[in-house]
Amino acid sequence: DAMVIQNPRYQVTQFGKPVTLSCSQTLNHNVMYWYQQKSSQAPKLLFHYYDKDFNNEADTPDNFQSRRPNTSFCFLDIRSPGLGDAAMYLCATSRDGGPNEKLFFGSGTQLSVL
Amino acid sequence: RKEVEQDPGPFNVPEGATVAFNCTYSNSASQSFFWYRQDCRKEPKLLMSVYSSGNEDGRFTAQLNRASQYISLLIRDSKLSDSATYLCVVKADDKIIFGKGTRLHILP
Repeated sequence: DAMVIQNPRYQVTQFGKPVTLSCSQTLNHNVMYWYQQKSSQAPKLLFHYYDKDFNNEADTPDNFQSRRPNTSFCFLDIRSPGLGDAAMYLCATSRDGGPNEKLFFGSGTQLSVL
Repeated sequence: RKEVEQDPGPFNVPEGATVAFNCTYSNSASQSFFWYRQDCRKEPKLLMSVYSSGNEDGRFTAQLNRASQYISLLIRDSKLSDSATYLCVVKADDKIIFGKGTRLHILP
């Protein structure tokens, strides 16, 4: 049974048209992460939530925003997608973010920007 | 020096062979280490954690060398299904750093 669910699996948007990616989890984990992964690159952390506390990475562009309305759901909003934002977006969770905790990933959303 | 470095490969290895690859990390305060496996266009999946004393899970053996700041993954009796990208993950405090991955192709 999927524990971290991302929708949609594939998303196509137009240059400059806002898009929202969603992630839900059934694990009741405190921490939720959003990663961006481009081809042959490492996943790059955009931001994470510890419960309701939002933590933005210093180099995450302002174009990327996130919302976590409750424990189960987290959204990634791209306000004005550019061609360079085409990537796989991965949502992950961990129970409390402790050093020995593993990450549980969703299946990702592959974003294309036309 | 990059925080986490891996040889990108690809490693082309015949089925049944043993293959090993390393991952180096720059932060000596790193606390925990993992190997993840990622198939093409899929999400990373945990393969194994890496413990200080080294650990084994079936055909897979992971080792940590804190003095030289690297971790290794050894795959014995490789199978076609082992073809994937192997990502090294290092945690230091609340920071999680992924390597770019090593691509492994098992050849029939």
